[in-house]
Amino acid sequence: DQQVKQNSPSLSVQEGRISILNCDYTNSMFDYFLWYKKYPAEGPTFLISISSIKDKNEDGRFTVFLNKSAKHLSLHIVPSQPGDSAVYFCAAIPLTGYSSASKIIFGSGTRLSIRP
Amino acid sequence: DAGITQSPRHKVTETGTPVTLRCHQTENHRYMYWYRQDPGHGLRLIHYSYGVKDTDKGEVSDGYSVSRSKTEDFLLTLESATSSQTSVYFCAISVPDRVRGNEQFFGPGTRLTVL
Repeated sequence: DQQVKQNSPSLSVQEGRISILNCDYTNSMFDYFLWYKKYPAEGPTFLISISSIKDKNEDGRFTVFLNKSAKHLSLHIVPSQPGDSAVYFCAAIPLTGYSSASKIIFGSGTRLSIRP
Repeated sequence: DAGITQSPRHKVTETGTPVTLRCHQTENHRYMYWYRQDPGHGLRLIHYSYGVKDTDKGEVSDGYSVSRSKTEDFLLTLESATSSQTSVYFCAISVPDRVRGNEQFFGPGTRLTVL
């Protein structure tokens, strides 16, 4: 049973427009939510995170929104650029101590393609 | 860049043979992880380590073992490789961060094919 779900395997967006990637989760005990970006033949890289006590976090063109009542988070990229074409993984960290191992739970990923 | 390297980067092997993948880090991080990435599944945790000789199982640990005899090296062993273990394997380290929540940094990955 997947605790973190990304129901859209792919998304195509025109350059300059907004990209919205969605993620749903089932466990209310997650402490942090993260988005990772992955290019082919490379490891995932951290993009942005949000604490479970917040509902929005913004970093430049990237904004993550958290709706705890709906158990849903989304990543907004605006404006979308060609270099944003990649696979995006939604992820969640269960509530643990600050100095504990972080057993991140990943979604299955969404492939974002930015078209000219 | 968290100074993580993985070796080999690519490997083709036959069913039933043992395989060891190596993860090496240069920054003395305590926590290390092994994931596998498969289409439709994202990244799934195989094993993790919270110190030298201290390891524990993850979500998909069957068929895998790990060892950590030095802080900088975390080895993943497939005792008898099967075709279902064909995957891309990623090593990661985590850095506790009160703001960003124990962010993980990933190595470049090892593509393993079991024929």
